Amino acid sequence: QLQLQESGPGLVKPSETLSLTCTVSGASISSSSYYWGWIRQPPEKGLEWIGTIFYSGTTHYNPSLKSRVTISVDTSKNQFSLKLNSMTAADTAVYYCARRRVRPEAFDYWGQGALVTVSS
Amino acid sequence: AIQMTQSPSSLSASVGDRVTITCRASQGIKNDLGWYQQKPGKAPKLLIFGASTLQSGVPSRFSGSGSGTDFTLTISSLQPEDFATYYCLQDYNYPLTFGGGTKVEIK
Repeated sequence: QLQLQESGPGLVKPSETLSLTCTVSGASISSSSYYWGWIRQPPEKGLEWIGTIFYSGTTHYNPSLKSRVTISVDTSKNQFSLKLNSMTAADTAVYYCARRRVRPEAFDYWGQGALVTVSS
Repeated sequence: AIQMTQSPSSLSASVGDRVTITCRASQGIKNDLGWYQQKPGKAPKLLIFGASTLQSGVPSRFSGSGSGTDFTLTISSLQPEDFATYYCLQDYNYPLTFGGGTKVEIK
């Protein structure tokens, strides 16, 4: 059974860099049938797509975050990662990793989410 | 970026009611739209993709329709477990964009 699990610090100081990892179990991250993505949700607000990566390393980022975000993949560990630098309070959110089908496109499996708070 | 406008932002309904949620895209997106259900403290769950195809395991009381710019999610007979927030997501092009959400509450 496919599972995605986010891991990383729950508290980040302003101006620092957030690093989160999503570990995939039950499926290979190297499949050509899927992308892997990050989505976030500030408290009591809606969902925001952050970016997506293919196993080959091809990425797509939200332009609103593009200057601060890097998504990478480690096929040997069956993981993909998110780095978001220059964190501010506005980046406080639950961060979800998810699998995205190539065709037909949809986020069909999600991690449980990781709450990240930005505070000194 | 394509803007997705959902309406209403919230609604109150009773068990057994028929519920309709709409999503409008700022430009044509063919049928590249998904609907997701989110319960408090949980990750979103895929309900419908391709505007009208039910994801495996999703009850048949959920249905989706539309193409181009106007889309609808319908719950034919609202059940207690359906009280949640619903989001649309356009899959047509990058950046992917979600609607603002519709919270379905108990009347």
